[in-house]
Amino acid sequence: EVQLVESGGGLVQPGRSLRLSCTASGFTFGDYAMSWVRQAPGKGLEWVGFIRSKAYGGTTEYAASVKGRFTISRDDSKSIAYLQMNSLKTEDTAVYYCTRSITDDYWGQGTLVTVSS
Amino acid sequence: NFMLTQPHSVSESPGKTVTISCTRSSGSIASNYVQWYQQRPGSSPTTVIYEDNQRPSGVPDRFSGSIDSSSNSASLTISGLKTEDEADYYCQSYDSSNQVFGGGTKLTVL
Repeated sequence: EVQLVESGGGLVQPGRSLRLSCTASGFTFGDYAMSWVRQAPGKGLEWVGFIRSKAYGGTTEYAASVKGRFTISRDDSKSIAYLQMNSLKTEDTAVYYCTRSITDDYWGQGTLVTVSS
Repeated sequence: NFMLTQPHSVSESPGKTVTISCTRSSGSIASNYVQWYQQRPGSSPTTVIYEDNQRPSGVPDRFSGSIDSSSNSASLTISGLKTEDEADYYCQSYDSSNQVFGGGTKLTVL
């Protein structure tokens, strides 16, 4: 059974940093791209970025709203994807979901990030 | 980058059929697969349609997907509506360097 479990969310002040983790199980993690999607309170889904599998270079792509502030990485030996969030803004407040592949076929339960002073 | 436009809300009675549209702003709808997700209140999204018209195991065949190149849009059709189908539905597609979500459609079954 495919499982994705996010962790690392919480309350953080504007301008500070936070790192989210996504621990995967039930599939060969290294074979898949991994994505991050967020949902602000009461709003729709917003793509954050994705990281390709090593077979496709392990490169990353980001939404314009987070480019230069957020970084996605992966540790295939541990089946974990990371989302490093720097220079956080109040508008980054959202539930952050980890998903498998660029088609988001499986989703985690999400972790809430609140950016507030 | 392209955009995906969905109706904000739709409503229909139990037992009826409803169709939710998803229109791509630029580029061909057929150039990249379209996915559909269901999100019930307080829950994570789950996939109900992938690769335009494929259903994951466990999704009832009341759910179907299609694309129409003439209108450059994708559609999610739910037949035999049940109250449990009441949820938000999102379409999604991608290109080589982006993923795009539609704004979501709130389905009310009344």
